[in-house]
Amino acid sequence: GNSVTQMEGPVTLSEEAFLTINCTYTATGYPSLFWYVQYPGEGLQLLLKATKADDKGSNKGFEATYRKETTSFHLEKGSVQVSDSAVYFCALIGGGATNKLIFGTGTLLAVQP
Amino acid sequence: DSGVTQTPKHLITATGQRVTLRCSPRSGDLSVYWYQQSLDQGLQFLIQYYNGEERAKGNILERFSAQQFPDLHSELNLSSLELGDSALYFCASSVRQGGSPLHFGNGTRLTVT
Repeated sequence: GNSVTQMEGPVTLSEEAFLTINCTYTATGYPSLFWYVQYPGEGLQLLLKATKADDKGSNKGFEATYRKETTSFHLEKGSVQVSDSAVYFCALIGGGATNKLIFGTGTLLAVQP
Repeated sequence: DSGVTQTPKHLITATGQRVTLRCSPRSGDLSVYWYQQSLDQGLQFLIQYYNGEERAKGNILERFSAQQFPDLHSELNLSSLELGDSALYFCASSVRQGGSPLHFGNGTRLTVT
């Protein structure tokens, strides 16, 4: 079945450091890929998405490129801020009639001033 | 604000009891999803409804049931509650039943004592 694997956290960085959170997936066909972010005490917010190979999703300085050859969708940001501290979830929708979103386990990012 | 409303925000109840969680989707969204988030299981898909009909089922226990009403709001019923049911329950909605991103509510935190 479809699945998502992302790097375990926590990831601790200093402000203005470069961020990479790795995500790989297993899916049949052509899934759509997403990154969601969960700030403390809140629900999940869609951060960015990509729906086909080589698409780059971007939002708020975060980027991720849909790499079909390596089945990856790594999240990057050039310069993190304290306000980026949150849990980041990689997810996919496998397509078809159902929109079931399958999540990775989440990666906690802690940015220190 | 995602536009998805969940009530109540917090619920504390005893083992063996029954509770109902309510979700109002974003205006115009026809599909509703329920997820359970716990420390040991991560984010688990429970069930999806589209325009009143069940579309997909995930790891939903037989003690749990859900429905989507004609006005598109949804309720998740949890019965014979156990300590292990303590978790954050999220509702999400999307425009279509396939291929569109999900928008999440802020969740209902259920504590079973």
